[in-house]
Amino acid sequence: GAGVSQSPSNKVTEKGKDVELRCDPISGHTALYWYRQSLGQGLEFLIYFQGNSAPDKSGLPSDRFSAERTGGSVSTLTIQRTQQEDSAVYLCASSNLGTSGGADTQYFGPGTRLTVL
Amino acid sequence: GQNIDQPTEMTATEGAIVQINCTYQTSGFNGLFWYQQHAGEAPTFLSYNVLDGLEEKGRFSSFLSRSKGYSYLLLKELQMKDSASYLCAVTDSNYQLIWGAGTKLIIKP
Repeated sequence: GAGVSQSPSNKVTEKGKDVELRCDPISGHTALYWYRQSLGQGLEFLIYFQGNSAPDKSGLPSDRFSAERTGGSVSTLTIQRTQQEDSAVYLCASSNLGTSGGADTQYFGPGTRLTVL
Repeated sequence: GQNIDQPTEMTATEGAIVQINCTYQTSGFNGLFWYQQHAGEAPTFLSYNVLDGLEEKGRFSSFLSRSKGYSYLLLKELQMKDSASYLCAVTDSNYQLIWGAGTKLIIKP
């Protein structure tokens, strides 16, 4: 596609339920990132994929959070047993990391606004 | 540890010039990015500096001094639509992007 897409754009769920967020990166981009942003706050790094593997999972806040990427393209972020503190905007970004040997620009999707009641 | 510092909030007047500073301490350096984020929207790429000096792109310019661990974003001829948060981010030696908390820029008429 032309840009990074994410779905759903908004998700309201009840505490304790599981949610799945989807990210479709720019076609051909090898790297994919998940971030979380609470209202008025900066970006909080969650996890990064290079291809289908995740060399850096250091940002996942708890074992309730997991992510996978298949076929080097679409990624899903799953939050199990959601808590109210999980409420935030979840942003996905993709880049062509490594193709030029230097830092590559990350392009962001519109985000998923998650509200846990 | 790794750290990116930028002011939390700045106010400027429409038509004026504003400079947003960013200082960083990271393990290695492979480039510095500036992103713009309007309220309720995703960040969008503004500029990338990897060598010392000034990069100009229309009304926006970005400067880098690697020896000082310092960058600034210069916005000229400010317009109301420039009201947004401006995020500084540095790529470290592992090509991981370290993000600052962002500077909220308020433009007044």
